[in-house]
Amino acid sequence: DSGVTQTPKHLITATGQRVTLRCSPRSGDLSVYWYQQSLDQGLQFLIQYYNGEERAKGNILERFSAQQFPDLHSELNLSSLELGDSALYFCASSVVSSAYNEQFFGPGTRLTVL
Amino acid sequence: DAKTTQPNSMESNEEEPVHLPCNHSTISGTDYIHWYRQLPSQGPEYVIHGLTSNVNNRMASLAIAEDRKSSTLILHRATLRDAAVYYCILRDAADSGAGSYQLTFGKGTKLSVIP
Repeated sequence: DSGVTQTPKHLITATGQRVTLRCSPRSGDLSVYWYQQSLDQGLQFLIQYYNGEERAKGNILERFSAQQFPDLHSELNLSSLELGDSALYFCASSVVSSAYNEQFFGPGTRLTVL
Repeated sequence: DAKTTQPNSMESNEEEPVHLPCNHSTISGTDYIHWYRQLPSQGPEYVIHGLTSNVNNRMASLAIAEDRKSSTLILHRATLRDAAVYYCILRDAADSGAGSYQLTFGKGTKLSVIP
């Protein structure tokens, strides 16, 4: 158990809908990262928050957004869903943002868009 | 970001040592070498990291070539639980951006462990 929790575990929805994925980082970790894993693209970085502020963006679509709340949990919002958004979404946390701190990953949310 | 090259797949017998190679010929002096693994149906898991010297922890050892252009993750006794995809990742401590230090995953090496 990494100490990072993600809900829900599975999500099935239809095209055009909007969903929210939730992540609770390990206690004391200030940095939260979101990653997407699909069969064709592999694991890709989406976005990072550090102590409530957006720190960096990766290959995140404009239909996707995220935020980190004062209690440091984070939410990833996916809207106008398309079939291609079906993937595993992982959240990771680390104490600080550095090149040597390890990231702890949650179990992921499996999103299926029908 | 400097790129890494790993074999697509490797096999090992249970209870034997496994050496997983990674080439990173364009590594910079400030790149840390990280290894993560992803077991089936789980999120990635940190294994080990190093900068210049060899490193050991309870999970594995990391051997870094003197010129730092390659490294090897060593599992001393493979178990069935070690069957996973292993990712070798470089993280630049001199990140000139906003200091995100996100992980950039390649395709990794799929390790199969034979009982």
